Amino acid sequence: QVQLVQSGAEVKKPGASVKVSCKASGYTFSTYFIHWVRQAPGQGLEWMGIINPSGGSTDYAQKFQGRVTMTRDKSTSTVYMELSSLRSEDTAVYYCARDLGLSWLVRGWFDPWGQGTLVTVSS
Amino acid sequence: EIVLTQSPDTLSLSPGERATLSCRASQSLSSNYLAWYQQKPGQAPRLLIFGPSNRATGIPDRFSGSGSGTDFALTISRLEPEDFAVYYCQQYGTSPLTFGGGTKVEVK
Repeated sequence: QVQLVQSGAEVKKPGASVKVSCKASGYTFSTYFIHWVRQAPGQGLEWMGIINPSGGSTDYAQKFQGRVTMTRDKSTSTVYMELSSLRSEDTAVYYCARDLGLSWLVRGWFDPWGQGTLVTVSS
Repeated sequence: EIVLTQSPDTLSLSPGERATLSCRASQSLSSNYLAWYQQKPGQAPRLLIFGPSNRATGIPDRFSGSGSGTDFALTISRLEPEDFAVYYCQQYGTSPLTFGGGTKVEVK
């Protein structure tokens, strides 16, 4: 079955970076874009950006421009999201999710989602 | 950026009752590109509806989506115990993709 499995929880100090992985299985990795979404404790969902696993192109939400980097490793069917200059407000569960849209310009709905990775930023 | 406003914040209902959740967009959605997700505590969101009235694979037919332009709705015809959760709408036609703030459906 189609599955996205994320790396485990992380605890980081303010100013550090974190890199979260998302391993895809059950489908052709390069065929579907992957999004990253985060959810602060008790809050709603916030879109961070998207990566095309085929060519590696990315599109980031303006809020995260300059702090987020999304990459992929085609040999292991894994995408990565690295967030730098962490602050306490970055404490959240980070999700990856597969895009089911038509093209790079016509993005789609998300299915499935990874199980989530809790990133805690604390001194 | 397209802002999605969901209402009400909380819906208190009993099992067997009908639930109607609203999602209003700050501008008309291109091709009605709207999806609904269900999220239970400690779990990732799960796709329910896309496009805005197509049920995802495995979703029971008591869930239905409707609407166009700026006004959309998710209806649960008869609430089952497992339906009490938080529901989010999402627009995916225009970048940045955005989500509504969520509606919590709780047991009355």
